[in-house]
Amino acid sequence: DAKTTQPPSMDCAEGRAANLPCNHSTISGNEYVYWYRQIHSQGPQYIIHGLKNNETNEMASLIITEDRKSSTLILPHATLRDTAVYYCIVRLLIFGNEKLTFGTGTRLTIIP
Amino acid sequence: DTGVSQDPRHKITKRGQNVTFRCDPISEHNRLYWYRQTLGQGPEFLTYFQNEAQLEKSRLLSDRFSAERPKGSFSTLEIQRTEQGDSAMYLCASSAPGLAGGPEETQYFGPGTRLLVL
Repeated sequence: DAKTTQPPSMDCAEGRAANLPCNHSTISGNEYVYWYRQIHSQGPQYIIHGLKNNETNEMASLIITEDRKSSTLILPHATLRDTAVYYCIVRLLIFGNEKLTFGTGTRLTIIP
Repeated sequence: DTGVSQDPRHKITKRGQNVTFRCDPISEHNRLYWYRQTLGQGPEFLTYFQNEAQLEKSRLLSDRFSAERPKGSFSTLEIQRTEQGDSAMYLCASSAPGLAGGPEETQYFGPGTRLLVL
């Protein structure tokens, strides 16, 4: 699976959009981008995933650049409950490659 | 959907003792995963089951570790002769195959079991 690079920490004001970048310059054509987050002392929580197109769900939006070498997770209206570590994971979706490879993520702090 | 549950949530043990953790996956999820997370690091994959078959084991899973999923439902992770380096959060996740049985599937994690070895 391709390696990802994320900033170690970010701050965002409550109510503003939080934009979390992820670099995955060695991604291959059939590798998906997944985002999880982990609130303190809890298990990771799935947020969103995508391959080429931008994706949106009730939690967030995922913007993947045209060359697929980077992506941005957008939390449109951040709340204090969004304070967490956010993990960007690139994963080759084939049978036999089931594990998720986490990096150290971005610690997002929402400021009141 | 009651989510993935893990028991116990916390465990303190003395070095050399054996411990066992339990994971109950989301109902009808046929895949179950174990991960380990140490302070300041992301989770690391340990092992994975499809139904009752253990299909992959990480090099992190030493001989002191054993995982089972005897009936393809709940799973147990046992650590024998615990060492202080085993202190970590042990996470369980489950998933179901994607549409049309494809590999695109989402892993849902439980709350974890925090182990402290004294």
